[in-house]
Amino acid sequence: NAGVTQTPKFRILKIGQSMTLQCTQDMNHNYMYWYRQDPGMGLKLIYYSVGAGITDKGEVPNGYNVSRSTTEDFPLRLELAAPSQTSVYFCASTRPRGTGELFFGEGSRLTVL
Amino acid sequence: QKEVEQDPGPLSVPEGAIVSLNCTYSNSAFQYFMWYRQYSRKGPELLMYTYSSGNKEDGRFTAQVDKSSKYISLFIRDSQPSDSATYLCAMSGSGAGGTSYGKLTFGQGTILTVHP
Repeated sequence: NAGVTQTPKFRILKIGQSMTLQCTQDMNHNYMYWYRQDPGMGLKLIYYSVGAGITDKGEVPNGYNVSRSTTEDFPLRLELAAPSQTSVYFCASTRPRGTGELFFGEGSRLTVL
Repeated sequence: QKEVEQDPGPLSVPEGAIVSLNCTYSNSAFQYFMWYRQYSRKGPELLMYTYSSGNKEDGRFTAQVDKSSKYISLFIRDSQPSDSATYLCAMSGSGAGGTSYGKLTFGQGTILTVHP
């Protein structure tokens, strides 16, 4: 069972470059989320989706975009990368009628120089 | 003031010790309380889940919620080196179907090391 799979695991970007973090889940979960984790700051919600075609902003959406064309995939797009976007990004999913337990991927470590 | 405050530690204890991890929060709308464990270079995984006030026990782990004090705790009995990880408290105001469902507010995480 793969669960939530994120790619790439590591990436170094130059300021101003763009990239997409990929996330896919094989648990048929409707709800998907992107969080970022900075040292000493916990996890902050960037964007979330309650189903294909439906996305909404979280606490820290600036500088990011998302799309949800299928149940399985929820890519996160970084436009014009800035050093403040250096972080570890986690994708997570959950089923709609449960406890809200989030199933996380292993994370994507992004450095912007 | 952060919505959720958690002492980041680090906390270092000998094997077999009782560990107490704590979080305080300010948002009285929080009703769902969780503890996640995160090993180095891995994603968080759910350890304990509690709804509203009270205690919940699972093996060596006990979660306590005191909504009147806006305070939650996780106790680990007979701690093992394999318990060495970062522990994150998380909370939400909504259950299934609610507007905050899955949108968790996390504490900063406490780094725990259990040495043999």
